Amino acid sequence: QQQVKQSPQSLIVQKGGISIINCAYENTAFDYFPWYQQFPGKGPALLIAIRPDVSEKKEGRFTISFNKSAKQFSLHIMDSQPGDSATYFCAAGPGAGNNRKLIWGLGTSLAVNP
Amino acid sequence: DAGITQSPRHKVTETGTPVTLRCHQTENHRYMYWYRQDPGHGLRLIHYSYGVKDTDKGEVSDGYSVSRSKTEDFLLTLESATSSQTSVYFCAISDIYVASEQFFGPGTRLTVL
Repeated sequence: QQQVKQSPQSLIVQKGGISIINCAYENTAFDYFPWYQQFPGKGPALLIAIRPDVSEKKEGRFTISFNKSAKQFSLHIMDSQPGDSATYFCAAGPGAGNNRKLIWGLGTSLAVNP
Repeated sequence: DAGITQSPRHKVTETGTPVTLRCHQTENHRYMYWYRQDPGHGLRLIHYSYGVKDTDKGEVSDGYSVSRSKTEDFLLTLESATSSQTSVYFCAISDIYVASEQFFGPGTRLTVL
């Protein structure tokens, strides 16, 4: 069964620190790897995504690092802020074709202490 | 949540009753999805649609059915609700031109007593 394994399950970081969340996938056919951010009572929102033709993508304080040979990707949140406290989900899936289903990690609950 | 609405937002029902949740989009996106979210289980796909009248099962489809008679509406029906279907249900949409990027609705909290 295809899986995306996400770790850690929960994370506590001090304000200004770096938050790192890791994901590993199995299916080498996947070519789209998004990260979603979810606040309590809200739906998940796309944060940043990467394709396997690049090893890193940065948007503001958020960076995805991608290691194709290891089948791993990670989210780095630089200068973490209390407003970043949320649940983060990684996912993996195809970037084309009729089957647009994403395989989801189980989520990481991030708390950033002021 | 722009462009995606879900109704109702909250519902309490009794075991054995049928329940229909509605997802409505104004983005004219081709793909629509129904997920459930439960603590410790993340997001699990129930059903998805890749076009009007074209639907397929997800990983937790037992006890659920869907219909899509027009592009903007995707209905999820619990044929006979059970307590195990108490959950938060999210609808999502994606566009054929932007890979698998999914946009989520605000969710429906369903409680089955």
